[in-house]
Amino acid sequence: DAEITQSPRHKITETGRQVTLACHQTWNHNNMFWYRQDLGHGLRLIHYSYGVQDTNKGEVSDGYSVSRSNTEDLPLTLESAASSQTSVYFCASSSSGGGTDTQYFGPGTRLTVL
Amino acid sequence: GQQVMQIPQYQHVQEGEDFTTYCNSSTTLSNIQWYKQRPGGHPVFLIQLVKSGEVKKQKRLTFQFGEAKKNSSLHITATQTTDVGTYFCAGNSGYSTLTFGKGTMLLVSP
Repeated sequence: DAEITQSPRHKITETGRQVTLACHQTWNHNNMFWYRQDLGHGLRLIHYSYGVQDTNKGEVSDGYSVSRSNTEDLPLTLESAASSQTSVYFCASSSSGGGTDTQYFGPGTRLTVL
Repeated sequence: GQQVMQIPQYQHVQEGEDFTTYCNSSTTLSNIQWYKQRPGGHPVFLIQLVKSGEVKKQKRLTFQFGEAKKNSSLHITATQTTDVGTYFCAGNSGYSTLTFGKGTMLLVSP
């Protein structure tokens, strides 16, 4: 069955370190998204991609970067982790463009920055 | 930018009571989607509404899209403990990405 996976599921890091969160989908979806979820803020879009070599900034992109070298993967990098980036991170994918299609979410990565 | 507001933020009901969450957008929406997130889980798609005034039902869940396509509601009849979780609405306009509301957390006591 097609799925979307994230790794690691839990990560503790220190302020200033570079961290990369992995996202892998086997749906063969063109579109992939990264969200962060914080209490009281719901899901906020960090970056998204509509295909290989395409990346776009979302609502809360400062301090994060992504790259899309193939259809299946969209890794999220925190260049220099800050305590404000402690959050739960969800990756999602969808088959068609914009916000018109169902998004399938991964299980999430809980990141703690000390 | 587009804003999607959801109320209430939290609701605690007794099993068997009804529950409604409301979603309001600052702009006219192309479509609205509803997702459910169980405690400790990830958001899971429930339904999509695209037409003005559209009403869809899934067993005890009734979803409605407003006539002006700026608001939506999710109503659960006779809640069960399995309904516990956070319900999110998400909408977009044109080719923009989905904007999620902050969610309504539902707690159901047996």
